[in-house]
Amino acid sequence: GAVVSQHPSWVICKSGTSVKIECRSLDFQATTMFWYRQFPKQSLMLMATSNEGSKATYEQGVEKDKFLINHASLTLSTLTVTSAHPEDSSFYICSARRQGSYVEQYFGPGTRLTVT
Amino acid sequence: GQQLNQSPQSMFIQEGEDVSMNCTSSSIFNTWLWYKQDPGEGPVLLIALYKAGELTSNGRLTAQFGITRKDSFLNISASIPSDVGIYFCGPSARQLTFGSGTQLTVLP
Repeated sequence: GAVVSQHPSWVICKSGTSVKIECRSLDFQATTMFWYRQFPKQSLMLMATSNEGSKATYEQGVEKDKFLINHASLTLSTLTVTSAHPEDSSFYICSARRQGSYVEQYFGPGTRLTVT
Repeated sequence: GQQLNQSPQSMFIQEGEDVSMNCTSSSIFNTWLWYKQDPGEGPVLLIALYKAGELTSNGRLTAQFGITRKDSFLNISASIPSDVGIYFCGPSARQLTFGSGTQLTVLP
């Protein structure tokens, strides 16, 4: 159990366009989901925490108007990168915390975004 | 602010050797998690530690949560080629904080 999927696994888009990334918990309900970005050879940096049915909490320095997060159900959270720029190119990873669990997070396989 | 140090940054070992890596923090945490990340994939949870002093094993992996709740180590015994990857420590309070990672390379 505890499988998290992401779609798409990779995407290439042009500057100025928007890209939506989906994160789904497949076999459990997740009241809380997290979005991270990871640059090559670096650790994961938390971007935002989303709770089902409420607004996401963004980490300092992350633009909420640029990275739109929606957590519409207990199994789905989406991250939309709006007006993408080349510097937004990165590896985006989501994770989900199982409902009732205080700690353990399960990660999706990641989405490689390349903005040209 | 909170500081989290993970070491070593990278390791090159021969297949069959044991490996040890650790994390130390300037803050106290209630839980400590260890993850492994393969290239181009998301991290996979290896071991979760909940009690100070707790020693937990998962196959060839052994991890311990320090008595002070500010540190943890992960040991891998008899390394094999598929152990290659980046290992992250993840002390957790309200949310996970990731260490900088230990890149492990296993030489045949």
